Amino acid sequence: AQSVTQPDIHITVSEGASLELRCNYSYGATPYLFWYVQSPGQGLQLLLKYFSGDTLVQGIKGFEAEFKRSQSSFNLRKPSVHWSDAAEYFCAVGSTSGTYKYIFGTGTRLKVLA
Amino acid sequence: GAVVSQHPSRVICKSGTSVKIECRSLDFQATTMFWYRQFPKQSLMLMATSNEGSKATYEQGVEKDKFLINHASLTLSTLTVTSAHPEDSSFYICSAGMGGGSTDTQYFGPGTRLTVL
Repeated sequence: AQSVTQPDIHITVSEGASLELRCNYSYGATPYLFWYVQSPGQGLQLLLKYFSGDTLVQGIKGFEAEFKRSQSSFNLRKPSVHWSDAAEYFCAVGSTSGTYKYIFGTGTRLKVLA
Repeated sequence: GAVVSQHPSRVICKSGTSVKIECRSLDFQATTMFWYRQFPKQSLMLMATSNEGSKATYEQGVEKDKFLINHASLTLSTLTVTSAHPEDSSFYICSAGMGGGSTDTQYFGPGTRLTVL
């Protein structure tokens, strides 16, 4: 069965430090992968997505993610975190088993220290 | 582009009443809309998928008679929580996709906070 794992429930970093949020997936075919960000009480905003091609994907707000098939990973990175990046981050894989839908990871809550 | 709105953003109702939540794609036609439920500090749980003009497909364990979904047009889907109870209190989020298929990106609404007293 398809699944998405975000091993880190909470991550705390200092403002200006680099960030890496982990995402591992289990999927039989070529996955369609997404990262979304959710601010408190808000909906989800798409940061970036990977369908095919270059395995390093650039997104909005200075984020990037790298697809590594050998590790079944799609980790999100940012070289310098801003206080406004504090939010919940969700990794998702597009499932084509039956009706097309997303399978979300459990999310990683990012806290940024001033 | 690709903006999805939800109305209302917050609703408080009494136990036993029904509540309707609207989801609109403002600047594109949404072939497929999705309804999610999110409990505090948890991930999103897909409730159902709806395609314009056809019956919604509900996920296992979701009561279709309790959570009525209507996708009457390419820009509007509604979720009606019938005979709401306190355990239905949650954050409900909709999303919309443009073209269907495995490469379709979902665009999410801002969510609706439902509180049932």
